[in-house]
Amino acid sequence: GAVVSQHPSWVICKSGTSVKIECRSLDFQATTMFWYRQFPKQSLMLMATSNEGSKATYEQGVEKDKFLINHASLTLSTLTVTSAHPEDSSFYICSASGTNQETQYFGPGTRLLVL
Amino acid sequence: QKEVEQNSGPLSVPEGAIASLNCTYSDRGSQSFFWYRQYSGKSPELIMSIYSNGDKEDGRFTAQLNKASQYVSLLIRDSQPSDSATYLCAVNEDNYGQNFVFGPGTRLSVLP
Repeated sequence: GAVVSQHPSWVICKSGTSVKIECRSLDFQATTMFWYRQFPKQSLMLMATSNEGSKATYEQGVEKDKFLINHASLTLSTLTVTSAHPEDSSFYICSASGTNQETQYFGPGTRLLVL
Repeated sequence: QKEVEQNSGPLSVPEGAIASLNCTYSDRGSQSFFWYRQYSGKSPELIMSIYSNGDKEDGRFTAQLNKASQYVSLLIRDSQPSDSATYLCAVNEDNYGQNFVFGPGTRLSVLP
């Protein structure tokens, strides 16, 4: 149980385009989803926390107008990187937590390369 | 600010030895504690959870918690090269997966 999927697993795009990443909880209802970013050889960095039906809470320094998060259902959250630039190239990982779940379960991650 | 600290490593141990990974946390009110393993290029996966003082064993893994000292550790017995990864300590201040703080991770290298 507690499986989280992400799509796509890899995306390459041109600078200036927008990229949408989906995160789905497959076998539980995710009341809260988290979006992380990880640069090579660095720690996980929490970008934002979203509760189903509410606006996401962004961590300090994360531009909410650039990283749009939608958590419209209990099984799906999306992260849209708007007007992506090469410095946005990173490994984006979502995690999810449901009611009465004590921990977070991670998706497999999405590797974004902006040319 | 709530903090979770780990030695960044790398921690190198020979195959078959015991690897000991340590973590300290600042929030005395923390309720639950987790160890995640992250292989290079992959996302973290949960390997152990512990909620009360003492030891909890699962196969070759033993988690140890000492709330008075605000210390949690992970022991890996009979270490294998496949255990080489970064180990993340996570601390939750309540009993739901909402208020997590992750440590920076300790990189473990098991040498054949």
